[in-house]
Amino acid sequence: AQKITQTQPGMFVQEKEAVTLDCTYDTSDPSYGLFWYKQPSSGEMIFLIYQGSYDQQNATEGRYSLNFQKARKSANLVISASQLGDSAMYFCAIHKAGGTSYGKLTFGQGTILTVHP
Amino acid sequence: DGGITQSPKYLFRKEGQNVTLSCEQNLNHDAMYWYRQDPGQGLRLIYYSQIVNDFQKGDIAEGYSVSREKKESFPLTVTSAQKNPTAFYLCASSITPYMNTEAFFGQGTRLTVV
Repeated sequence: AQKITQTQPGMFVQEKEAVTLDCTYDTSDPSYGLFWYKQPSSGEMIFLIYQGSYDQQNATEGRYSLNFQKARKSANLVISASQLGDSAMYFCAIHKAGGTSYGKLTFGQGTILTVHP
Repeated sequence: DGGITQSPKYLFRKEGQNVTLSCEQNLNHDAMYWYRQDPGQGLRLIYYSQIVNDFQKGDIAEGYSVSREKKESFPLTVTSAQKNPTAFYLCASSITPYMNTEAFFGQGTRLTVV
C-alpha cells in the first residue's frame, strides 16, 4: 500500500524568505508520481508541481522546486521568496501508475503554512 | 470552459437519510476520484474510477457508494451507514490512470448532517 507522511502540521516563514515543506512516501511500485497541491482557505485545490519516479532532475515551477531524494523516499517542496499569498494548506500526494490499484492517488495530512509580513 | 462541477456547494441532511453528491467533468478524463476532508485534515480517498463502468474502493469506502455509468459523471452517495458524514467532499479527475498526470479538482460540497 502506498502512503504519504507530512510530519509538519504547521510552518511559519517570514515574507521573502524560503521555506521547505517535508514529505516522505512509502511505495513498493517502481513507477509513481509525486505531486504538491495548495489549498487556500477557500477550499479549492491548486496543482503546484510534479515529480516522476524516473525523473533524474528535480522539478521546478517558478518559485516552487521539489527536492526529490529517491533513496530516502522524500519529496520536499521548497518555496523561494515567500509571499503573503502563499499562506495556505499544502498537500503532498502520490499516484500509482501501474500494478494493482493503478490510478490510485493518495494524499498526506497536509502542512499549514503561514507567511508573516 | 472545461472543468469539474460539483453540486450542490452546501448540503444539509437529516440523520438516517441517504444523499447523493454530483460530480460532472467535461475534460474527457478517464480517471475520477472522491475524497473526504475533515476540518484541518488531509484528503482521504473514498472511491476512484479508472475508466467508465469500473471503480475501486479507496481507504474509507464504508458507508459510501458510487457509480460510473458515463465517462463524465461520478456521483457519490453517502448512505445512512456512514456514521459521521459531516465533512467537505472533493471530486477530482485526471486524463488517464496509467500516467502520472495532475488531477483537477471541483470546488467541493460541504455536507452537514442535522
